[in-house]
Amino acid sequence: AQSVAQPEDQVNVAEGNPLTVKCTYSVSGNPYLFWYVQYPNRGLQFLLKYITGDNLVKGSYGFEAEFNKSQTSFHLKKPSALVSDSALYFCAVRDFNQAGTALIFGKGTTLSVSS
Amino acid sequence: DGGITQSPKYLFRKEGQNVTLSCEQNLNHDAMYWYRQDPGQGLRLIYYSQIVNDFQKGDIAEGYSVSREKKESFPLTVTSAQKNPTAFYLCASSPGTQWGELFFGEGSRLTVL
Repeated sequence: AQSVAQPEDQVNVAEGNPLTVKCTYSVSGNPYLFWYVQYPNRGLQFLLKYITGDNLVKGSYGFEAEFNKSQTSFHLKKPSALVSDSALYFCAVRDFNQAGTALIFGKGTTLSVSS
Repeated sequence: DGGITQSPKYLFRKEGQNVTLSCEQNLNHDAMYWYRQDPGQGLRLIYYSQIVNDFQKGDIAEGYSVSREKKESFPLTVTSAQKNPTAFYLCASSPGTQWGELFFGEGSRLTVL
């Protein structure tokens, strides 16, 4: 079965430090991977995606993610964290088992950036 | 501005009542989706529709129903058969391609009293 895992429920970093939010996946075939961010009581906002090509993907708000096929990972990164980056982050993978184009989401990682 | 509108944002329901959550999009997207979000469980797919007049069950469809009579609209009915309906419900749409991301509405929070 296809799945995505976010091994950390919470990540704490100080403002100005680099941040990493981890994601690993399990799919048959080539993965289509996505990162989203959610602020309290709001919908999800798209950050970036990997479909094919360069393993380093750049997205919105200075975020980037590195696709690593051998480690089946797609970690989200930012060189310098901001307090405003504090939110809930979701990794997702395209569900090729469904006839449609839905995504399978991880359980989410809460990022807390302290000033 | 193009986007997805969900209403109401907050809804309270008594046990045994059906409620309908509205989802409208003006992005001209073919595909629409309903997800349920519970704390610590991520998002789980309820129903999805790839095209007008067609929809498919997701992973947790029991106790829910949908319709897709217009391209722009994909309402979700939470029926009295849903045993634990209190949750945050998210509607999304996409162009319907395998590489396309989903665009989300702001969500509807349903509380059963």
